[in-house]
Amino acid sequence: DAKTTQPNSMESNEEEPVHLPCNHSTISGTDYIHWYRQLPSQGPEYVIHGLTSNVNNRMASLAIAEDRKSSTLILHRATLRDAAVYYCILRERGNQGGKLIFGQGTELSVKP
Amino acid sequence: KAGVTQTPRYLIKTRGQQVTLSCSPISGHRSVSWYQQTPGQGLQFLFEYFSETQRNKGNFPGRFSGRQFSNSRSEMNVSTLELGDSALYLCASSLSPGTGMQTDTQYFGPGTRLTVL
Repeated sequence: DAKTTQPNSMESNEEEPVHLPCNHSTISGTDYIHWYRQLPSQGPEYVIHGLTSNVNNRMASLAIAEDRKSSTLILHRATLRDAAVYYCILRERGNQGGKLIFGQGTELSVKP
Repeated sequence: KAGVTQTPRYLIKTRGQQVTLSCSPISGHRSVSWYQQTPGQGLQFLFEYFSETQRNKGNFPGRFSGRQFSNSRSEMNVSTLELGDSALYLCASSLSPGTGMQTDTQYFGPGTRLTVL
């Protein structure tokens, strides 16, 4: 399974943008990059995913490096509710099924 | 549409007992996966069921087992409980797991907090 590396923790101020990095140097051509987050006392929730091109949705943006060896999750205006652990996960098309391989993730704290 | 539900939410057992946890997936989802979350090991994949068949299994002892019913509801069982089994047990359901795409999205329940004394 391809591995991801993320900083253990990051801090942000409320209403400022946040860039959460993820390194995945062993990514294969068919791996999708998925991001999940886990708010305190809740199960993880899907944030965004992409393959090669940058992606935007109502929650965040995903910027993928041209060589796909790294990606960045962008929260455009952090709110206190965005304080969570963010996981970057590679999803291979094929027989992985529902298996997600979680790393340690990045714990994001947001200061008012 | 109702989300993933897990029962019970909290459970206290003693060593040696067994426990059964239940998960109801989102309507229409046929895949249910189970995860164990502990402070030391983080989130670890236990197993996945799809159309009543176990399709993937994580690296856990045989004391951990599961099953899926024809309505896609799933149960997991842990026999001969050990102190180290104290954890948050999460289940997730998805529509088309393994595609990597949007339909691959896993929807998680709130979890069952198991404490083994």
